[in-house]
Amino acid sequence: GEDVEQSLFLSVREGDSSVINCTYTDSSSTYLYWYKQEPGAGLQLLTYIFSNMDMKQDQRLTVLLNKKDKHLSLRIADTQTGDSAIYFCAEPYGGATNKLIFGTGTLLAVQP
Amino acid sequence: GAGVSQSPSNKVTEKGKDVELRCDPISGHTALYWYRQSLGQGLEFLIYFQGNSAPDKSGLPSDRFSAERTGGSVSTLTIQRTQQEDSAVYLCASSFTGTGGTEAFFGQGTRLTVV
Repeated sequence: GEDVEQSLFLSVREGDSSVINCTYTDSSSTYLYWYKQEPGAGLQLLTYIFSNMDMKQDQRLTVLLNKKDKHLSLRIADTQTGDSAIYFCAEPYGGATNKLIFGTGTLLAVQP
Repeated sequence: GAGVSQSPSNKVTEKGKDVELRCDPISGHTALYWYRQSLGQGLEFLIYFQGNSAPDKSGLPSDRFSAERTGGSVSTLTIQRTQQEDSAVYLCASSFTGTGGTEAFFGQGTRLTVV
């Protein structure tokens, strides 16, 4: 199937680390993405990882990829209140076309 | 324009009426996507256009939904005989190519309310 699964909600305290998890479906996906949707705003690409990588670090963000288990995670270090948003993982799902399929989204709430 | 533009931003319609939602993608982007975002439902894929290829309509929930893309640019999503369950935010996105490895740029969405 095409379902990309995420937990719906995560609450952390400011300064803690946040880990958002995702299980995807298409083992042939060449890239996997994390998008961020802030309140009242559109989705924007946050980061991505190429499928031949296990890890990618970008400032406070760390993306981990386990291809065997089709598991993707996003770690945000030193989480700030400005990180409060909905986070979506996404994969280009193959088959006849290469459409971009999104997960259900994880609402990250950062408590001051 | 500089980004993906959607219109109208808000639409309230009576049950049973038809509605048209418009998307102006970023100039030069060959791929265009429509998604629907409902509370607690995440981003539901509706339809995908890539260049001159036949669109992937596998996500359209019923035959009341249709979309077209004219001249490889502007796209219109049409919902006929709207139902209350069609109420949602409809998001359009475009990207330079249809393959993985490129960024999809999203519009601000059209919030559809069926009363």
